[in-house]
Amino acid sequence: GQNIDQPTEMTATEGAIVQINCTYQTSGFNGLFWYQQHAGEAPTFLSYNVLDGLEEKGRFSSFLSRSKGYSYLLLKELQMKDSASYLCAVQDSNYQLIWGAGTKLIIKP
Amino acid sequence: GAVVSQHPSRVICKSGTSVKIECRSLDFQATTMFWYRQFPKQSLMLMATSNEGSKATYEQGVEKDKFLINHASLTLSTLTVTSAHPEDSSFYICSARPPDRGGTEAFFGQGTRLTVV
Repeated sequence: GQNIDQPTEMTATEGAIVQINCTYQTSGFNGLFWYQQHAGEAPTFLSYNVLDGLEEKGRFSSFLSRSKGYSYLLLKELQMKDSASYLCAVQDSNYQLIWGAGTKLIIKP
Repeated sequence: GAVVSQHPSRVICKSGTSVKIECRSLDFQATTMFWYRQFPKQSLMLMATSNEGSKATYEQGVEKDKFLINHASLTLSTLTVTSAHPEDSSFYICSARPPDRGGTEAFFGQGTRLTVV
């Protein structure tokens, strides 16, 4: 079966760094996406990884290891507005998105 | 970037009535659109894949006669919740991707908060 795991909830302090992990087992792999979703709103795109390694985009970075079925999203210099859910999604061999349950990130002052 | 527009953003209806939700791709043609449902504190659950000019593909457990999908043009898909009941109250979101495959982010509509009373 297809499975994507990520922690349910994480707490971090404003100004700090947090890493959100995602492990996956899917039928085929055509890239991994990270989305941010604030409560009551639609998800917004953060990053896409299809090759191994680190992709950096401002305060956010995303890492992928295909051999390990593993990715993480790294958020630096945390701000209160970063409080949201972070969704990991894998694009399978049919180019369908398989979604993780999401990680709720709580930022404390 | 590409834009997907979804309407209405919020609707309250009486039990037993039907509600139509529209999803439009504003600056690209989408042969395929996706309809999701999200319950509080849960992730997106794919309900169905809407295919332009043909029948939608429904996920297991989703009643096709209750959730009617029409994808009549390359820029518009509609989801009609028929004979709505309180348990259908949820956040419904559509998404679409520009035609080139792979590595293209899915663009989401704003979502529709449906409350059935």
